[in-house]
Amino acid sequence: GAGVSQSPSNKVTEKGKDVELRCDPISGHTALYWYRQSLGQGLEFLIYFQGNSAPDKSGLPSDRFSAERTGGSVSTLTIQRTQQEDSAVYLCASSLVRREQYFGPGTRLTVT
Amino acid sequence: AQSVTQPDIHITVSEGASLELRCNYSYGATPYLFWYVQSPGQGLQLLLKYFSGDTLVQGIKGFEAEFKRSQSSFNLRKPSVHWSDAAEYFCAVVPGGSNYKLTFGKGTLLTVNP
Repeated sequence: GAGVSQSPSNKVTEKGKDVELRCDPISGHTALYWYRQSLGQGLEFLIYFQGNSAPDKSGLPSDRFSAERTGGSVSTLTIQRTQQEDSAVYLCASSLVRREQYFGPGTRLTVT
Repeated sequence: AQSVTQPDIHITVSEGASLELRCNYSYGATPYLFWYVQSPGQGLQLLLKYFSGDTLVQGIKGFEAEFKRSQSSFNLRKPSVHWSDAAEYFCAVVPGGSNYKLTFGKGTLLTVNP
């Protein structure tokens, strides 16, 4: 079956611009997660959704980062006023409740 | 603090040789344990998982891992490495009973020599 998909695969943006990253989870997976992978910090948890609710936003690095999920399916991660330190690969994952997480291919964000 | 340690940043093996990648965790209770593999420019692929039960778990691509509670370890093994196994390997854990917020090790980069 179809796995987790993410778009765009690559995004280059200028410092100060806003960006939106999209994640389509595996059909039927109620849990959705965002992670960030960067050279200096490794793989970091950002936010967790159960359905459309986000009970854990503790990993969002600043108030410039926000995320939403609609219809218990698609999620969008928004970064406002991007900074160079936001450059990273943003990974989305989904799972059934209390089961293993399956990852998408990621979005590589470059802020120039 | 809860943490995951992969002591080896980079390992090089010859094709056909055996492989063991080490992972240690620091958690109060037995967490759920995972190994993921990442090829260049790709996302993370789940190799295997441990939730409970048999401490030796089998995964895809001929990999296995053994959970040792006394050593807080979950080492990944493969008896004979193929050139296509060259990739970065990540050990990850979540607190038992709440499967979210994966905490990852720093990863081990595997190079396979012909």
